[in-house]
Amino acid sequence: NAGVTQTPKFRVLKTGQSMTLLCAQDMNHEYMYWYRQDPGMGLRLIHYSVGEGTTAKGEVPDGYNVSRLKKQNFLLGLESAAPSQTSVYFCASSYSNTPFFGQGTRLTVV
Amino acid sequence: AQSVTQPDIHITVSEGASLELRCNYSYGATPYLFWYVQSPGQGLQLLLKYFSGDTLVQGIKGFEAEFKRSQSSFNLRKPSVHWSDAAEYFCAVNDYKLSFGAGTTVTVRA
Repeated sequence: NAGVTQTPKFRVLKTGQSMTLLCAQDMNHEYMYWYRQDPGMGLRLIHYSVGEGTTAKGEVPDGYNVSRLKKQNFLLGLESAAPSQTSVYFCASSYSNTPFFGQGTRLTVV
Repeated sequence: AQSVTQPDIHITVSEGASLELRCNYSYGATPYLFWYVQSPGQGLQLLLKYFSGDTLVQGIKGFEAEFKRSQSSFNLRKPSVHWSDAAEYFCAVNDYKLSFGAGTTVTVRA
């Protein structure tokens, strides 16, 4: 039982490049979330999903897109990366109102 | 809208001394409240949670937290800290999406 797995763990992008972060959970959770963590700001919600095929905007959605085609996977896309998107990204899944987190993806945009 | 405030950005405590981290929340109904801990370069680990019932909640690693509705607070405590408790601590409130405080960094001195 792996829990919540994020791929990749590290990535360096050039400004304007695109990429997709993958979050996979094996706990059959309905709710999934993407957060970004920046120093002094805690974790801020980017997008979330309350079930397969559904997505919704969080607190800081601009510059990101998401998809939840399968219940176990929640993808976060950056279409045209910007230096302001340099951050640590965390995925979480939730059951019975208790979220569980992946280990994070450290993304640097140069 | 729900929100979480952690008034202390940084706390330094001596090993063996007691620790209390403050958390205040703003939420219209009975909240689901959480404390998470994050060691450097790691993901978030759930310390404890409060949903209902007994207002004093026991968690892992010897931590406890007390829910006080009248003060809109959910403070985290540990009677005697260990060097391994040096980390960043996040308070969070959840209805269908988790909102975090900005975090409190704990330094433990020998």
